Order: sequence, then C-alpha cells, then structure tokens
Amino acid sequence: DVKVTQSSRYLVKRTGEKVFLECVQDMDHENMFWYRQDPGLGLRLIYFSYDVKMKEKGDIPEGYSVSREKKERFSLILESASTNQTSMYLCASSLSSEKLFFGSGTQLSVL
Amino acid sequence: GENVEQHPSTLSVQEGDSAVIKCTYSDSASNYFPWYKQELGKRPQLIIDIRSNVGEKKDQRIAVTLNKTAKHFSLHITETQPEDSAVYFCAASNTEDDMRFGAGTRLTVKP
Repeated sequence: DVKVTQSSRYLVKRTGEKVFLECVQDMDHENMFWYRQDPGLGLRLIYFSYDVKMKEKGDIPEGYSVSREKKERFSLILESASTNQTSMYLCASSLSSEKLFFGSGTQLSVL
Repeated sequence: GENVEQHPSTLSVQEGDSAVIKCTYSDSASNYFPWYKQELGKRPQLIIDIRSNVGEKKDQRIAVTLNKTAKHFSLHITETQPEDSAVYFCAASNTEDDMRFGAGTRLTVKP
C-alpha cells in the first residue's frame, strides 16, 4: 500500500512564526499536493508539484510556499504564520492527476 | 479553472434507506471523477471513481452516475448502514490539470 506520511499530527505555533509541514511518500509518485481542509469549504488546493523542483500554485497559495528538493518529499512552508492559517493540512500523492493517496493530516493551530 | 459544487452539505437517512449526493463541475475538459470518504479523524479514502467514457459504475452498494452533457455526477449508496456515516467528497480533474474537490457532504445514517 502507498504510504504518505506527514511529520506532525498536531502543531501549535504563534503568529509570525515560520512553519514547516513535511510530507513523505514511499511509492515513487511524481505528483504531490498540499490541501487545506476547513468546515464547509472542503479541500482547497494550495500548491502542487509534478516533478522535483517543480511547483505550481493552486487556488489559495497566498501566504504559503513549497519545496520539493527530492521526489519523495514535499514541504509546505508558512513564512509568517497568521491566525487565518489555522486549519487541517492534508498532503497527497499520485502517479497522475488521478487517485490521490492522502496523509493523515496535520492540524495546525496558530495562536 | 475547474469549480466543483456539491449538494447537500448534510444528509441524514435511516439505516436501510438510500442516500444520494450530487455534484456539478464547470470544466468540460474534466474526465475523471472520484469520490472520497472521510471518517471522523481519518484521511480521505477513495471509494469509487468514474471516467468520462462511462455513464455509470457500480461497486456493491455504491454506484456513481455521470452526465457529461449536464456536467453533473452523483453518488448513490443503497441499503445504508451506520458505518457509512462519514463526510463524502466529490472531485473532478483532467489529465492535464490537478484535482478540485467539492465542499463535502456529511452523511449520518441513523440506526
């Protein structure tokens, strides 16, 4: 089975802090995605990557950046965390733009 | 870009009844339509998917229908059971693009 691992299940940070969310997949998938999940808004795409060192903005990239230095790892960076970035963050990977495999999620609280 | 709308946002049914969740999409180039089930505190998992060259697909108690002309697709669950209670997300993508999700439907099956 594909395994997508997110480094933290729960994270509490302060406003203005730099935050790194890490995601690792073990199936050699080319594609990796970061979504945030908020009640009533579903899963909204922040950034995605189709290859190493390649990144594309999703629907809500403001306040975020990403890094993909290695194929198996896709990091989401909050340069200066704000309270409106409190959310559940889900990483996913796939071989194509089909059948996403999700990580367990990171519940981030920004105080 | 693609925009996916999902209805209803909440759905409550009696055990044994059927449940129907509907989604519409905006991009006529979309050709892949998966459905994900997310149980409380867990990651979304793919339950069924359909491609644009197929009008209907069934897997035991779950079926999905697609109307490409009207740009809508639906999830049908028959003989619902309490373990079907979860949040269900529809999504749409094409092979050139990433995946966009609906806002989700919280299904409650009452015993």
